[in-house]
Formats: sequence, C-alpha cells, structure tokens
Amino acid sequence: DQQVKQNSPSLSVQEGRISILNCDYTNSMFDYFLWYKKYPAEGPTFLISISSIKDKNEDGRFTVFLNKSAKHLSLHIVPSQPGDSAVYFCAAKNFGNEKLTFGTGTRLTIIP
Amino acid sequence: DVKVTQSSRYLVKRTGEKVFLECVQDMDHENMFWYRQDPGLGLRLIYFSYDVKMKEKGDIPEGYSVSREKKERFSLILESASTNQTSMYLCASSSTGGAGKLFFGSGTQLSVL
Repeated sequence: DQQVKQNSPSLSVQEGRISILNCDYTNSMFDYFLWYKKYPAEGPTFLISISSIKDKNEDGRFTVFLNKSAKHLSLHIVPSQPGDSAVYFCAAKNFGNEKLTFGTGTRLTIIP
Repeated sequence: DVKVTQSSRYLVKRTGEKVFLECVQDMDHENMFWYRQDPGLGLRLIYFSYDVKMKEKGDIPEGYSVSREKKERFSLILESASTNQTSMYLCASSSTGGAGKLFFGSGTQLSVL
C-alpha cells in the first residue's frame, strides 16, 4: 500500500519557468512532510520541509504548499535552473516516529 | 561537514552468498536507516535503529537483518543473496527530534548474479 504517491514519473520544464512537482498521501496521521533531491550516483539530500500546522513554507526559489483536506502537497521551483535537473522525492512522517515514508520520485529535467 | 559513509560503491555477489553492507556516520545521530531504491518504487525502508543494539523492521525486511553494535555504525546483512535483491542500497542517519531530516550516504549498487 503506497501511502505517499508521486503520480508523475517525469517532468520537463524550460529554464526560467516554474516547475511544479506534486505529491499525494493517504495517511492522515502524517504530520511532517519533506522534499529530497537526488542526483545520479549520489544519496538524496534534504531540500525543504513543512509541518502539518502550516500550509506554505518558502526557502529561496523553493516553496512547498500543503493542502491537508486534499492530502496533497506540491513543490514549486521558481525560476527553474539547469542544476535543478534531478529526481525529487516527497516524504512524510508521523508525530513521534522518526522513520520517513517516501514516494516513488519524479525526474525533473530543465531544458536550457 | 556531516558525513554518512557507505563502505562500497559497487558490489557484485553470487546468489546464496552472505553479504555485508556497512555504514558509518560521524554526526552522533541516534537513528540510522537502511533503504533500497528501485526504479518505479522509490525508496523503501528495510530496517531502522533508534539506539545501539535496537532495531525495528521497516516495510520490506524479508531476507535482511541488521546489526548496530556501536552508535556510529549500522550494518545491513543479506543472509543468502538472491537476484531480486539487486538494488541501490542507501544508508541514512538522523537525530531524534530533527523533524525527520535524514542525511544519506552515497549508496551501494549491489548486483546479485
């Protein structure tokens, strides 16, 4: 049972435009959500997170939006840059539990 | 700079062999994790540990075991390697109360022939 879903395996965006990556979840007990970025031959690295008590968190070019009623979150990257080309994983955790449940990932390609 | 080090970058083993994957972290983190990454399946949790000598099963523990004798080291053991265990294995660590922020190693690409 996939509790965290990323329905778009891949996404291509023109450099300078906005990239929007989506993630859906089914477990209403998740209270914290994170995005990780992964380059080939490297481990994932933390990008940005959001608590369930918020609906938006911003860090530079990256913004994460959370819609709890829809059990949906999205990552916006503005403006997109070639170095943003990577696989992006959405992840979620329960309160008091340190383990993360990851989605299947979306491969983002930024076209120069 | 924080670091999670996995002992091997690439590993080729034969079916039936016992395989050890080693992971060391230098951040004094309480929690350590083993995930595997497969195309179309994302990252799936195999085992994790909250403390020395403590371990808990993740979502796909079958065919694996773990060992954590020291805080900084977490080993994944494939008791009898099978071809369906060919995968990218990723070790991670985190501090308790760190809001789920995991630090990952670079991964071990294991091929079982």
